[in-house]
Amino acid sequence: DVKVTQSSRYLVKRTGEKVFLECVQDMDHENMFWYRQDPGLGLRLIYFSYDVKMKEKGDIPEGYSVSREKKERFSLILESASTNQTSMYLCASSFLNVGYEQYFGPGTRLTVT
Amino acid sequence: KNEVEQSPQNLTAQEGEFITINCSYSVGISALHWLQQHPGGGIVSLFMLSSGKKKHGRLIATINIQEKHSSLHITASHPRDSAVYICAVSDMDSNYQLIWGAGTKLIIKP
Repeated sequence: DVKVTQSSRYLVKRTGEKVFLECVQDMDHENMFWYRQDPGLGLRLIYFSYDVKMKEKGDIPEGYSVSREKKERFSLILESASTNQTSMYLCASSFLNVGYEQYFGPGTRLTVT
Repeated sequence: KNEVEQSPQNLTAQEGEFITINCSYSVGISALHWLQQHPGGGIVSLFMLSSGKKKHGRLIATINIQEKHSSLHITASHPRDSAVYICAVSDMDSNYQLIWGAGTKLIIKP
């Protein structure tokens, strides 16, 4: 069974704090993704990575950065959290060329106060 | 205009009813995905298809490539089918990304 885990299910942070969200997958997937999900807006891609140390901006990268030092681990960083970053954050992974089926983690609900 | 559009946005039905959720897209695709998200839960892939029809239990997914349209059907619906159903397509021009629909929220009443 593919397993994608995220470091926290719920997180509350203050405005201006640096926030780390971590994602780990155990299927040796090349691709990893960070999305945010907001009511009425669906899933929006923040960043993705197709290899260690490689990253590509998605649709809404502003205010975020990512790190992929190991194949199984992909971190999302909010350098200075703001209230408009309150959202559900979902990590996903997939093989590079197997129809791009993505496997999702359980999500982290982040509240910035 | 969104590249992937789902209808309806919300659907409430009685237990046992036959359910249809539609997805239309405007780009060339290599595959179309249907996914399910239960309240508070993660997202689970239901189907990935590039032609024809696939069936898994009470769920059936069809795709018409010429018309750029897919449907997800649920037969003999049950309250545990209540979830958000999301359509996404693998864009032919992108190796990595999916283009996402906004989702259909389904509620099945007992």
